[in-house]
Amino acid sequence: EAGVAQSPRYKIIEKRQSVAFWCNPISGHATLYWYQQILGQGPKLLIQFQNNGVVDDSQLPKDRFSAERLKGVDSTLKIQPAKLEDSAVYLCASNQDRTYNEQFFGPGTRLTVL
Amino acid sequence: DAKTTQPTSMDCAEGRAANLPCNHSTISGNEYVYWYRQIHSQGPQYIIHGLKNNETNEMASLIITEDRKSSTLILPHATLRDTAVYYCIVRVANRDDKIIFGKGTRLHILP
Repeated sequence: EAGVAQSPRYKIIEKRQSVAFWCNPISGHATLYWYQQILGQGPKLLIQFQNNGVVDDSQLPKDRFSAERLKGVDSTLKIQPAKLEDSAVYLCASNQDRTYNEQFFGPGTRLTVL
Repeated sequence: DAKTTQPTSMDCAEGRAANLPCNHSTISGNEYVYWYRQIHSQGPQYIIHGLKNNETNEMASLIITEDRKSSTLILPHATLRDTAVYYCIVRVANRDDKIIFGKGTRLHILP
């Protein structure tokens, strides 16, 4: 089966610009996650969707970050305006609603903010 | 914060067994031990999980102590492709319990 797809793979922007990342989860996976991974650290959960509803966005900096999953399939994560400290890899993951054991991760988008 | 403690890095010779320790002294009775790994420039990959019995799959074995306060992930015959960061995580096995990653153990497989 096809894995979690993310685009773009790399993005370089200047601070105060906006950027958007796209994720297409594995077909049939109801739960979708966005993580932020700063260099040298483990991934940190930003937001979790169950179908098109938000389950947990407690770690999402809502003054500048937003995410949506309108049709319960693919998702976008947006940063506006970007700050230097937003430089990181943004990972998308998904899993089946009935299986809570394994999350499948995409390759990530590496964002550099100059 | 992560509920586990792992060594920062480890080396292992190719072909030997790699034994990665993890301490989770505050684990609750309904929390499982999960292991993921992250190869350079890739997203994390699930390896194995267990509650209290030892578990084995095609990738690895998981040994959990009787008091469940620590565990060891065993890669029986390490190859160069096993070079990665390995994360030990404890969580309840339901969709509402988030995965909290620590810094993991950076495993270097030496030729």
